[in-house]
Amino acid sequence: EPEVTQTPSHQVTQMGQEVILRCVPISNHLYFYWYRQILGQKVEFLVSFYNNEISEKSEIFDDQFSVERPDGSNFTLKIRSTKLEDSAMYFCASSGQGADSPLHFGNGTRLTVT
Amino acid sequence: TQLLEQSPQFLSIQEGENLTVYCNSSSVFSSLQWYRQEPGEGPVLLVTVVTGGEVKKLKRLTFQFGDARKDSSLHITAAQPGDTGLYLCAGGMWGAQKLVFGQGTRLTINP
Repeated sequence: EPEVTQTPSHQVTQMGQEVILRCVPISNHLYFYWYRQILGQKVEFLVSFYNNEISEKSEIFDDQFSVERPDGSNFTLKIRSTKLEDSAMYFCASSGQGADSPLHFGNGTRLTVT
Repeated sequence: TQLLEQSPQFLSIQEGENLTVYCNSSSVFSSLQWYRQEPGEGPVLLVTVVTGGEVKKLKRLTFQFGDARKDSSLHITAAQPGDTGLYLCAGGMWGAQKLVFGQGTRLTINP
């Protein structure tokens, strides 16, 4: 069964550094998402991406965050200058048609900012 | 701000017992999805309910969407140790693509 893959599984970075989290969504999916889960807290929506542009973003997704689909397969999340509070599990997800369609999640990247 | 509250947050029962997990909100959702999340993995979709009052069954799991589309429940019959895990509900909204997640119910089934 097709799956969403994320790399790396764990990223440690120093405060102020830039990080890029990578995702390969399911190939025939049209919508792509990033969610995050701070330890012990809810899964939170960050951004959705459709037709090569951001279609929706949350208040969390400020100017420090950006997303890109540089080619036909990868979907990346960049954090320009990481803060301690950015430490979390970051999940990429994809779906065929939108929020009412099943989201397929990757296994996440655990980002630790020191 | 749309919020989904799950209860209980933790539940530990013996194998063979029945249980119900609740997901409640003051907001109306276009759909309600239930996920199960294992440690170190992403959430995996169990079911989507889209019609108020809808009931879906998945083997020993029964999912219900409230008539007013503000709440949902997950009922497990004759729980087994393999049912142990974190169960998440998530609501979809009309005109939006994001899902709003509950905080999860951590279920432990003891042999």
